[in-house]
Amino acid sequence: AQTVTQSQPEMSVQEAETVTLSCTYDTSESDYYLFWYKQPPSRQMILVIRQEAYKQQNATENRFSVNFQKAAKSFSLKISDSQLGDAAMYFCAYRDFGNEKLTFGTGTRLTIIP
Amino acid sequence: DTAVSQTPKYLVTQMGNDKSIKCEQNLGHDTMYWYKQDSKKFLKIMFSYNNKELIINETVPNRFSPKSPDKAHLNLHINSLELGDSAVYFCASSRWESSTDTQYFGPGTRLTVL
Repeated sequence: AQTVTQSQPEMSVQEAETVTLSCTYDTSESDYYLFWYKQPPSRQMILVIRQEAYKQQNATENRFSVNFQKAAKSFSLKISDSQLGDAAMYFCAYRDFGNEKLTFGTGTRLTIIP
Repeated sequence: DTAVSQTPKYLVTQMGNDKSIKCEQNLGHDTMYWYKQDSKKFLKIMFSYNNKELIINETVPNRFSPKSPDKAHLNLHINSLELGDSAVYFCASSRWESSTDTQYFGPGTRLTVL
């Protein structure tokens, strides 16, 4: 079974600085998708960024980018120029190609220090 | 416009009662999901429906019964509620066989069983 591991239960970063959240996963598949979701105190699950495993280029969305290392099964999220609104739980998630089931990590709580 | 909506947002009830949570999406998606987030923030899939047919059914007590009257709705009925059912329940939707393949989440329903 696929598993997703987020080894940092909590992280903090100074406003305007850069922070990297770690995620590793275990799979025997070669085609899959990886996601980062954000859950602010409002509880809403918001998609931050996604990566297709067949793409070598790392996905970027404005201040958010990933470092996808397929061989190492690593998928870290980098947040640049951190803002107070970035404070949230961040969940890494995995999905096999052709399978609708999303498997989530245990989350990292990110605190932004003003 | 709300893409994925859930009602109610909060639900407090006594042990042994039967309750339902409703979910609706206006994204034109044909696949819908129910996830459970426990007190430690761990998110796990419970069910998935595609075009009103059950496609994922994780190990969930049969007190939980999803019902999909049409592609835009997926309701969750829970019989004989237990203390351990207290959690936040998220509905999500996506397009089947879509190139984007992203699941969009509702705001969640916090269920408290007393």
